[in-house]
Amino acid sequence: AQSVTQPDIHITVSEGASLELRCNYSYGATPYLFWYVQSPGQGLQLLLKYFSGDTLVQGIKGFEAEFKRSQSSFNLRKPSVHWSDAAEYFCAVGAWKTSYDKVIFGPGTSLSVIP
Amino acid sequence: DAGVTQSPTHLIKTRGQQVTLRCSPKSGHDTVSWYQQALGQGPQFIFQYYEEEERQRGNFPDRFSGHQFPNYSSELNVNALLLGDSALYLCASSFRQGRNQPQHFGDGTRLSIL
Repeated sequence: AQSVTQPDIHITVSEGASLELRCNYSYGATPYLFWYVQSPGQGLQLLLKYFSGDTLVQGIKGFEAEFKRSQSSFNLRKPSVHWSDAAEYFCAVGAWKTSYDKVIFGPGTSLSVIP
Repeated sequence: DAGVTQSPTHLIKTRGQQVTLRCSPKSGHDTVSWYQQALGQGPQFIFQYYEEEERQRGNFPDRFSGHQFPNYSSELNVNALLLGDSALYLCASSFRQGRNQPQHFGDGTRLSIL
């Protein structure tokens, strides 16, 4: 069965500092992976996705993530954080079964940004 | 291009009542999935509808049921509401059950049980 862990419940960074949010997954085959962001009271917005190919994936808002199969990780990075990046971030792992896809979300990491 | 729309935005019910939440998928999408997101947690999968049938289900009791209409819109019904059903209910849409593509989410319905 798939599972996702996000070891950091809450992270605080200063504006302009770099950011890395950790994500580890468990799945027997090659999964497809996502990062979503959620602002308070809003739905989830897709930041980036990995299905296959290049393991370094570029997303929106200057975010990128790297798939490392050997470490079962898909960490999200941004070189310089903006105050507007403060939000909840969710890593998700999906797998295509015989007739449907199944997506499991991690518990989320809350990001605070100090001006 | 309209995204995923959900209604109502907020809802307050009391224990034992029944509720219906509605979702219209993104234009071009034919698959709808429903998630429950409790405060401070990640979304938990409830079920997915494709071709007007429930295709898969998460670990939710039968009190949670759904429907998909020919125009691909969907409803989530919850009977005999419990305090623990208080959550943000998210609808996500995709095409052909989402194979090799991400889901698009609506802004959710905030359900409060008193």
